[in-house]
Amino acid sequence: DAGVTQSPTHLIKTRGQQVTLRCSPKSGHDTVSWYQQALGQGPQFIFQYYEEEERQRGNFPDRFSGHQFPNYSSELNVNALLLGDSALYLCASSLGVFAAVGNTIYFGEGSWLTVV
Amino acid sequence: DQQVKQNSPSLSVQEGRISILNCDYTNSMFDYFLWYKKYPAEGPTFLISISSIKDKNEDGRFTVFLNKSAKHLSLHIVPSQPGDSAVYFCAASVLPPQGGSEKLVFGKGTKLTVNP
Repeated sequence: DAGVTQSPTHLIKTRGQQVTLRCSPKSGHDTVSWYQQALGQGPQFIFQYYEEEERQRGNFPDRFSGHQFPNYSSELNVNALLLGDSALYLCASSLGVFAAVGNTIYFGEGSWLTVV
Repeated sequence: DQQVKQNSPSLSVQEGRISILNCDYTNSMFDYFLWYKKYPAEGPTFLISISSIKDKNEDGRFTVFLNKSAKHLSLHIVPSQPGDSAVYFCAASVLPPQGGSEKLVFGKGTKLTVNP
């Protein structure tokens, strides 16, 4: 059973460009959350998708957008990239409201984005 | 504002001794706390958790203590092993307003090094 898979693992973009990151959740999971982890910081919640809708959003600008597909996979899009967007982007998949209580939130290995 | 704080960026202990990692939080609405462990080039993995209605939870070598009045929790690892060397994140879960799963609010992490 594959866990959470993310692609690409590393990428380099130029300021002003756009990037799309992809996530396939763990089998059976219906909820995908995205986190940004800057160097020396903890992961910060970007947004969460459930039933193909954005259900929760953290304190990130509209340049950050996403999508969830009928097979529960998800994309994170970032437009007009800034140097400060350089970070590790983590995808977490889960099932149900009490996923944390049930210890069923699983993280992927992340996508390293470098903006130059 | 940092709602979950880990004030020690790093900790070094000898193999076989106790490791104590600390975490403070400011939001009284948090009702569930988790510890995640992260190795380089891997996503965070769940370690242990505690409900706000409890003051202690134990799992093998790992024990988490919660002092709700002080808004403080700590992770004890006894005995520490070199394989425990990793970054440890304290996180609090927030129930979703509608559908989906909890979001996690992370601290900045503490890098634990266990020396042989």
